Amino acid sequence: QLQLQESGPGLVKPSETLSLTCTVSGGSISTDSFYWGWIRQPPGKGLEYIGIIYYSGITYYNPSLKSRATISVDTSKKQFSLKLSSVTAADTAVYYCAAHFLVAGYFSIDYWGQGSLVTVSS
Amino acid sequence: QSALTQPRSVSGSPGQSVTISCTGTRSDVGTYDYVSWYQQHPGKAPKVMIYAVNKRPSGVPDRFSGSKSGNTASLTISGLQAEDEADYFCCSYAGFYIFVFGGGTKLTVL
Repeated sequence: QLQLQESGPGLVKPSETLSLTCTVSGGSISTDSFYWGWIRQPPGKGLEYIGIIYYSGITYYNPSLKSRATISVDTSKKQFSLKLSSVTAADTAVYYCAAHFLVAGYFSIDYWGQGSLVTVSS
Repeated sequence: QSALTQPRSVSGSPGQSVTISCTGTRSDVGTYDYVSWYQQHPGKAPKVMIYAVNKRPSGVPDRFSGSKSGNTASLTISGLQAEDEADYFCCSYAGFYIFVFGGGTKLTVL
């Protein structure tokens, strides 16, 4: 059973860069079936897809965040990370890391971290 | 990609059935049979209830079912139970490894 856990600062100043890391346990990060991704949820609002990464390093991003988001992977540490630059108050959200099972006939987000609240404020 | 459109809230009494709609476009729901539904209880991470329009993961009760017609997908919960009270989000594949979510629907069990 895969487990994912987010870590990183809970408070970021406006215009700075938000950085979060997700640690994967209970399975391999270098697997053919899963893509590793980030999803966020502003307080009281819906979910927003940020992007995903394959263990080889290939990335795909939400076009609306592509210019500010960078997702990377460190297979030796079984971790993947998110950096979001030039943050504003609108980036305040619970950030989830998740495992996307992107196999033909499936395409579901099967495992989620507990979520990490990041507040953008001076 | 614009968010998929869901009703903000639905309600039903125990034992009844409710249906939550999720309307997208030809670019997402209308083209791909990769609509999934997620249940989220307050303060908890989402949990997949339906994937690929109408498939249930192991462990999800068969009271939960999904369907799709044109650009609109639907989640039906029959035999409502108190524990079903939660927020429900739909998600559709939109091509090029991009996904789009709905705004979420709050289900109240009366």
